[in-house]
Amino acid sequence: AAGVIQSPRHLIKEKRETATLKCYPIPRHDTVYWYQQGPGQDPQFLISFYEKMQSDKGSIPDRFSAQQFSDYHSELNMSSLELGDSALYFCASSSRDSGNTIYFGEGSWLTVV
Amino acid sequence: AQTVTQSQPEMSVQEAETVTLSCTYDTSESDYYLFWYKQPPSRQMILVIRQEAYKQQNATENRFSVNFQKAAKSFSLKISDSQLGDAAMYFCAYPPTGNQFYFGTGTSLTVIP
Repeated sequence: AAGVIQSPRHLIKEKRETATLKCYPIPRHDTVYWYQQGPGQDPQFLISFYEKMQSDKGSIPDRFSAQQFSDYHSELNMSSLELGDSALYFCASSSRDSGNTIYFGEGSWLTVV
Repeated sequence: AQTVTQSQPEMSVQEAETVTLSCTYDTSESDYYLFWYKQPPSRQMILVIRQEAYKQQNATENRFSVNFQKAAKSFSLKISDSQLGDAAMYFCAYPPTGNQFYFGTGTSLTVIP
């Protein structure tokens, strides 16, 4: 079965640079989520989209933005990167038809140096 | 505020034995879902089991089962016949009606050969 696809899997950026992460949800899933997981931490919710509209916002820094496109893929844009942004970024998707079970991608590792 | 609490940062179990991981949550909702996710060293988030709050029967998936106590807002995970591959971080998760999942802080499970 198709899963959530994230790219790139690994990314190294310097401080103050910009990074963009991409996410392709499971086909026919109408909700996309972005999570950030720092070392030894639980996943922290950043933002979610339902049917291409932002539906909920968590602890997403103002330097970050995200959107969902007409083909339902989503992008997380991170600017003015800081060392503390180094983390594993998960995208997940769900469908109300599946009881809101969220399925995660394999994550994108961002290292800021 | 809705919260999820996992009071056991670390647990260990002998191979082939049974272990129970605890989770409590806080909600004012009456109809919702609860989830356990497993995160092995690869860091991928894998769905273990899902419970629907309106169902009195505890969910079971092979060696994994839950003890769901709705009135007590308790949702524990029981792993029977533990295997080395069960070693991972386990997160309890609760999605309120909005598009955001709340995760507990996780329980690190070690399986002793």
